[in-house]
Amino acid sequence: AQSVTQLGSHVSVSEGALVLLRCNYSSSVPPYLFWYVQYPNQGLQLLLKYTSAATLVKGINGFEAEFKKSETSFHLTKPSAHMSDAAEYFCAVSDKGGSEKLVFGKGMKLTVNP
Amino acid sequence: KAGVTQTPRYLIKTRGQQVTLSCSPISGHRSVSWYQQTPGQGLQFLFEYFSETQRNKGNFPGRFSGRQFSNSRSEMNVSTLELGDSALYLCASRPNAGSNEQFFGPGTRLTVL
Repeated sequence: AQSVTQLGSHVSVSEGALVLLRCNYSSSVPPYLFWYVQYPNQGLQLLLKYTSAATLVKGINGFEAEFKKSETSFHLTKPSAHMSDAAEYFCAVSDKGGSEKLVFGKGMKLTVNP
Repeated sequence: KAGVTQTPRYLIKTRGQQVTLSCSPISGHRSVSWYQQTPGQGLQFLFEYFSETQRNKGNFPGRFSGRQFSNSRSEMNVSTLELGDSALYLCASRPNAGSNEQFFGPGTRLTVL
């Protein structure tokens, strides 16, 4: 069975600092990996996705993630945090080309301090 | 293009009642999935419908059911509500069952008293 681990539930950074949100996956088949963001009282918005084309994936709002098979990781980064990045971030995995259900991690709440 | 819409946005019910939630996918999308989000269990897959047929189902009791209409709109029903059913219910659509990107609606916040 596939699974995703996001260690911790909350991270706090200063505005302008590096954002690093960790995600490790477990999958018996080549995974399709996703990062979603959820702002308060809203649904999920796709930030970026890994579909085996390139290991370094660039997404919206300046975020990117690198797929590392040897480490079974897909960490999300942004060089410089902005106040508007404060939200909850979810890593998710799917198989069969991403056509199956999404299995989500527990989520990570990002706080950005001025 | 309009996004995924869900109605109602907020709902309060009492234990034992039943509830129906509605989801209208993005125009042209034929696949609709439902997820339950709670603080304790996080985001969990309920079921997916494609062309009016359920193609995948999560690990939820039979009280949770759904259906999809010919216009791709979907409804989910929860019968005999329990306090633990309080959650944000998210609907997601994609063009077809093979698409790897899902587009989420804003959710319906269900509170069971």
